[in-house]
Amino acid sequence: DTAVSQTPKYLVTQMGNDKSIKCEQNLGHDTMYWYKQDSKKFLKIMFSYNNKELIINETVPNRFSPKSPDKAHLNLHINSLELGDSAVYFCASSQDGGLSMNTEAFFGQGTRLTVV
Amino acid sequence: LAKTTQPISMDSYEGQEVNITCSHNNIATNDYITWYQQFPSQGPRFIIQGYKTKVTNEVASLFIPADRKSSTLSLPRVSLSDTAVYYCLVGDPNDYKLSFGAGTTVTVRA
Repeated sequence: DTAVSQTPKYLVTQMGNDKSIKCEQNLGHDTMYWYKQDSKKFLKIMFSYNNKELIINETVPNRFSPKSPDKAHLNLHINSLELGDSAVYFCASSQDGGLSMNTEAFFGQGTRLTVV
Repeated sequence: LAKTTQPISMDSYEGQEVNITCSHNNIATNDYITWYQQFPSQGPRFIIQGYKTKVTNEVASLFIPADRKSSTLSLPRVSLSDTAVYYCLVGDPNDYKLSFGAGTTVTVRA
């Protein structure tokens, strides 16, 4: 049973399109995250949600809109896709803030987005 | 958030011990030190966490000196499958933001 699952695993789309990536966690965690990993392999936090409330929004273009219908889901919608959006997007979850004592974050397998 | 500095890359051979040191000079009192591992085409995976002194689990050991301004992840007797990027994270429990630096790419050769 996968702890954090993202769909789709691969996404190829044209510039200007709108797409969504879904994320679900079955760990009962309060906090969920979206990360972007570019071609240089830097992992950058985009958003974090705690109990469905937005906690962190790291200077991400407003074309990216996270939506958390409940604590177990955090979906990422991207409008008007650009070439520079091509990257691997990781969803993660943790109990509390992720760096608490005896707390670990669990990551999904990633979604490789390619914009052509 | 405490800034972390780690070597960009390290090479090793199977069976050797690998030690990766992370500097975090401005670590705060409430901060924990956490290490993650990332294999190609996978999400990061938690390895170990500590606050002070030494922590050991089935995967690695973490050594933290008294001043906590650095920490060393020790991987005993590495194998080819330990080839990965290792990240050192330092932060407050209320950060809600796991900040990954560039990490250390460890390459294990036969």
